[in-house]
Amino acid sequence: SQQGEEDPQALSIQEGENATMNCSYKTSINNLQWYRQNSGRGLVHLILIRSNEREKHSGRLRVTLDTSKKSSSLLITASRAADTASYFCATAARSNDYKLSFGAGTTVTVRA
Amino acid sequence: DTAVSQTPKYLVTQMGNDKSIKCEQNLGHDTMYWYKQDSKKFLKIMFSYNNKELIINETVPNRFSPKSPDKAHLNLHINSLELGDSAVYFCASSQAAQGSYGYTFGSGTRLTVV
Repeated sequence: SQQGEEDPQALSIQEGENATMNCSYKTSINNLQWYRQNSGRGLVHLILIRSNEREKHSGRLRVTLDTSKKSSSLLITASRAADTASYFCATAARSNDYKLSFGAGTTVTVRA
Repeated sequence: DTAVSQTPKYLVTQMGNDKSIKCEQNLGHDTMYWYKQDSKKFLKIMFSYNNKELIINETVPNRFSPKSPDKAHLNLHINSLELGDSAVYFCASSQAAQGSYGYTFGSGTRLTVV
């Protein structure tokens, strides 16, 4: 069953602006992961954040995790046209045998 | 050097046919997966193998049969293809099965059943 749900479904921003998307999930998790999918391509792993972590950074990406609210956010700073893609959160939970369960994604369009 | 490679990239076939998709990873990972992505981009796990052993078998019609000849390969055979099988199928791998590692995905196989 689908565990994570991203919000918004779609986001359009100007190059140089920041993009923020959120993910909510239903059950306790072991970790939460964010992936990027460019059109017609496979998914690329961006960041993994464990349940005992609150924030992680990777380059222009910042991920937060609030286990009390069962939510996570992905912030892309100083966006570029190449950031145009769909972004998915995925959760791994012991209750689900650690199967990585994906949300439906946020489609981000960065306008030049 | 593609880390997870799938073939073919595109597959167009008629209803009722049998087809196979192949996947290979050169990362030395222990675990491999098949995911199905529908037209709304929703990804659903189908199967997972850990060191050639089937560990996840979701509610998938038994027309779908995975095979892992060794831990670097995971193939998917589909019998009696139906229109509803049209989707993009992704192979992925991870270091271990406990969900503590990120997955590396192949570029997908777009299956169209006509």
